[in-house]
Amino acid sequence: AQSVTQPDIHITVSEGASLELRCNYSYGATPYLFWYVQSPGQGLQLLLKYFSGDTLVQGIKGFEAEFKRSQSSFNLRKPSVHWSDAAEYFCAVGARDTGKLIFGQGTTLQVKP
Amino acid sequence: EADIYQTPRYLVIGTGKKITLECSQTMGHDKMYWYQQDPGMELHLIHYSYGVNSTEKGDLSSESTVSRIRTEHFPLTLESARPSHTSQYLCASSGPAGFGEQFFGPGTRLTVL
Repeated sequence: AQSVTQPDIHITVSEGASLELRCNYSYGATPYLFWYVQSPGQGLQLLLKYFSGDTLVQGIKGFEAEFKRSQSSFNLRKPSVHWSDAAEYFCAVGARDTGKLIFGQGTTLQVKP
Repeated sequence: EADIYQTPRYLVIGTGKKITLECSQTMGHDKMYWYQQDPGMELHLIHYSYGVNSTEKGDLSSESTVSRIRTEHFPLTLESARPSHTSQYLCASSGPAGFGEQFFGPGTRLTVL
């Protein structure tokens, strides 16, 4: 069965520190992978996506993610976090045959001044 | 500007009322989706559509119904609202060029008293 696991429910980092949010997936073939961000009371905004090719993908707002097939992971990183990055982050896997997305439980990021 | 809209943004209503949550997109996307999201939780797909006159139930069972009479419009209806329907409802769309990449509306936060 397809699934996405985000092991960290809540992460707190200091402003200016580096960030890594973990995402592990289960999918029978090469997946489409996504990271979305959700600010309070808002919809989801796409940060970045992986379809194929280079396993290190760059996204908006200075985020990047690396697809590691051997570890079934797609971790999100940012070298220096800004206070405005505080939000909920969702990893998702897209089924190539149906186009449907399966989301992880989300990671809440808190940024300390 | 291409976008996806949801109205109302917030709705507080009594038990037994019929409600319709509106979702419209101006991107000409064939695929549209409805998700249900409880606070601090992941998104669950409750309905999707691959085009006009096409609707399917999602992975999470829901008492709501949907219709797709026009490409741009994908309303969700609850015939008789109950407190268990209290949640946030997010609408999304995707086109053939961005397979699996979904664009989200701002959501409707529904409270049933």
